[in-house]
Amino acid sequence: AQRVTQPEKLLSVFKGAPVELKCNYSYSGSPELFWYVQYSRQRLQLLLRHISRESIKGFTADLNKGETSFHLKKPFAQEEDSAMYYCALRNYGGATNKLIFGTGTLLAVQP
Amino acid sequence: ETGVTQTPRHLVMGMTNKKSLKCEQHLGHNAMYWYKQSAKKPLELMFVYSLEERVENNSVPSRFSPECPNSSHLFLHLHTLQPEDSALYLCASSQDWDGGTQYFGPGTRLLVL
Repeated sequence: AQRVTQPEKLLSVFKGAPVELKCNYSYSGSPELFWYVQYSRQRLQLLLRHISRESIKGFTADLNKGETSFHLKKPFAQEEDSAMYYCALRNYGGATNKLIFGTGTLLAVQP
Repeated sequence: ETGVTQTPRHLVMGMTNKKSLKCEQHLGHNAMYWYKQSAKKPLELMFVYSLEERVENNSVPSRFSPECPNSSHLFLHLHTLQPEDSALYLCASSQDWDGGTQYFGPGTRLLVL
């Protein structure tokens, strides 16, 4: 079954420290993976998708098919990065753009 | 207002009430979605509509009834809900049902007493 696992409910780091938010997935086909972010009092929004291979707000994520992981990384955390981060997998099964979400990780960046 | 809007933002209802959640998207998208977000659980997809036609019903109880009168509007009609249905209900849209990023609304926080 398709599944997304985010093992950490909370990740607390100090400003300037490196950040890695973990995401593992299980999927039988060729996955498409996303990171969505929800800042305080704002709506859920796309941060990045693996097919774009881009860096957004200093964040990058590399798809590792061998480890079935799509960890989100940033070398130097900023206070404004504090938010809820969701990893998501797009399911090509059926004819729908169906996203399967993880439970999310709350990133708290301390000053 | 641009993007995806949802009304009401908060709703309290009794188990015998009937209410409706409304979602509107101003992005010209063809696909719309309802998600349920409960505490300590992942976002759960409930329904998907593509060009006003329901293409996915994710084993949702019949006390939730969606309606998509046109590609810009999506409703979720609620009746005889249970307290465990209390959650944040999110609407999203995407350009097409088979590709592209999903854009989310702010959600409706529902409390069933």
